[in-house]
Amino acid sequence: GENVEQHPSTLSVQEGDSAVIKCTYSDSASNYFPWYKQELGKGPQLIIDIRSNVGEKKDQRIAVTLNKTAKHFSLHITETQPEDSAVYFCAGTGRRALTFGSGTRLQVQP
Amino acid sequence: GAGVSQSPSNKVTEKGKDVELRCDPISGHTALYWYRQSLGQGLEFLIYFQGNSAPDKSGLPSDRFSAERTGGSVSTLTIQRTQQEDSAVYLCASSLDDGSPLHFGNGTRLTVT
Repeated sequence: GENVEQHPSTLSVQEGDSAVIKCTYSDSASNYFPWYKQELGKGPQLIIDIRSNVGEKKDQRIAVTLNKTAKHFSLHITETQPEDSAVYFCAGTGRRALTFGSGTRLQVQP
Repeated sequence: GAGVSQSPSNKVTEKGKDVELRCDPISGHTALYWYRQSLGQGLEFLIYFQGNSAPDKSGLPSDRFSAERTGGSVSTLTIQRTQQEDSAVYLCASSLDDGSPLHFGNGTRLTVT
């Protein structure tokens, strides 16, 4: 089945700096890669996703890049703000259900 | 409501007791998922329902765990003879169909004492 690895596990940046979180996947047949943000006491919320027919997708300060050959994808957050502080999860399609990475705790220092 | 609703939000139970966790998906969503999240950990897949197809139970950790989805809507996750290692947040998600984005509820925090 699919295996998704995510790093770093924790990331601390200064407000206004960029943050990058990276994931690798094992199943070359995977074709859908979402990113979720989870705040304390809440369920994960979808922030951006990408399908395998494109290499990059951008939504305001958030972007995701996908390298199918290397089987890795990354989340980029620019001009970070304190409200970006949360745990971020990447995921990839498994057989029928998403397989999630282990999460990155992002802390934006004001 | 517009989102996925889970109840109860918190559940404390004694070791050995059975518990039932409920999930109300978004209306019209045909796919429903259960995941488990242990403290500070990622999301572990448990079970997946899609329409009238047989559920994918490949993630259930033991035969103490079972789930039903009645009428293609509400789902119940049942844990029998709970153990301390079952303590976790149980998350439910639904999607419009297979391959669409997942929408999560806020979970049920289960504590087994």
